[in-house]
Amino acid sequence: DAKTTQPPSMDCAEGRAANLPCNHSTISGNEYVYWYRQIHSQGPQYIIHGLKNNETNEMASLIITEDRKSSTLILPHATLRDTAVYYCIVRSTASKLTFGTGTRLQVTL
Amino acid sequence: DGGITQSPKYLFRKEGQNVTLSCEQNLNHDAMYWYRQDPGQGLRLIYYSQIVNDFQKGDIAEGYSVSREKKESFPLTVTSAQKNPTAFYLCASSETDLNTGELFFGEGSRLTVL
Repeated sequence: DAKTTQPPSMDCAEGRAANLPCNHSTISGNEYVYWYRQIHSQGPQYIIHGLKNNETNEMASLIITEDRKSSTLILPHATLRDTAVYYCIVRSTASKLTFGTGTRLQVTL
Repeated sequence: DGGITQSPKYLFRKEGQNVTLSCEQNLNHDAMYWYRQDPGQGLRLIYYSQIVNDFQKGDIAEGYSVSREKKESFPLTVTSAQKNPTAFYLCASSETDLNTGELFFGEGSRLTVL
């Protein structure tokens, strides 16, 4: 599976949009981009995934560049409860995921 | 409610002792996984199972063992051969073939070796 690169930490003011970037320049054509988040000492929570097209659900939006070498997770109106570590993962049909160290998002008042 | 249950949430063990962590799911998922997480680190795959009575080693299987006798259960045994077992252990499940499915995680078990 392709390796991802994420900034180690980011801050965001409450109510603002949080834009979390992820680079995956070695992604293959059949690899999906997944985002999970982990609140301290809990199990990771699925957020969203996509292959080529932009995706949106009740939690977030996923923007994937046309060349698929990078993506951005957007939390449209961040709240204090969104403070967590966010993991970007790219995956093919192999039956396992590889989690890196993610981005620690701190939402502040 | 459907989900994954891990127990115990906290566990203490003396060096040289084996310990078994429980993972049960009622989501009717075929695939189940065990991950280990150390402080400030990402998750690392220990073992996974795609179907009952079958499982494969992940990236850090040494010192661990698993069984998959029932679809809903995937216990992990941390043996005395595991050199540094103190960690946060996470169990997950998904529908068969993780190509497009999401992983559902339990709340984790924190093991401390005294």
